[in-house]
Amino acid sequence: GENVEQHPSTLSVQEGDSAVIKCTYSDSASNYFPWYKQELGKGPQLIIDIRSNVGEKKDQRIAVTLNKTAKHFSLHITETQPEDSAVYFCAAPRAGNQFYFGTGTSLTVIP
Amino acid sequence: NAGVTQTPKFQVLKTGQSMTLQCAQDMNHEYMSWYRQDPGMGLRLIHYSVGAGITDQGEVPNGYNVSRSTTEDFPLRLLSAAPSQTSVYFCASKTGGAGSGETQYFGPGTRLLVL
Repeated sequence: GENVEQHPSTLSVQEGDSAVIKCTYSDSASNYFPWYKQELGKGPQLIIDIRSNVGEKKDQRIAVTLNKTAKHFSLHITETQPEDSAVYFCAAPRAGNQFYFGTGTSLTVIP
Repeated sequence: NAGVTQTPKFQVLKTGQSMTLQCAQDMNHEYMSWYRQDPGMGLRLIHYSVGAGITDQGEVPNGYNVSRSTTEDFPLRLLSAAPSQTSVYFCASKTGGAGSGETQYFGPGTRLLVL
């Protein structure tokens, strides 16, 4: 079955710096990769996603890149702000039209 | 729209007790899922449903039952609670399958403590 590995588990950056979170997947047939942000005490919320027919997608300060050959995709946050502090999860499709989730990255942006 | 709602927000059970976690969505989504979230383990799929009357097991189904009698509701039942079921439970819903690109919406979660 599909497994999703996510690194790092924790990440601290200075405000204004960039943050990068990486995920790898095993099923070469996977074609859709979402990223979720979870704030304390809340449910995960989709922030960006990418389909396998493109290599990069941007939305303001957030971007996702996909390397199908290497089977990994990454979340890039530029010009980080304190409100970016949260737990981020990557996900990849699994059987039954559901998702496998990574184990999460706790991002802290230090003012 | 209220989106995905979950009740209760917090619950304390004794070992062996049973309870039902409620989940409802008002977006007419076909797909609904239950996840549990534990420290260092991310979100793990318990059960899911692709439509009313259809349910299937996820990664960690043991100790949990589900039913889907309507499109809106997808309750999760703990038949005999165990301390290992202490966790945060999230319900989610979406329109299409995992590869469709449709956004998956999560509820606010239910925090369960089993003593």
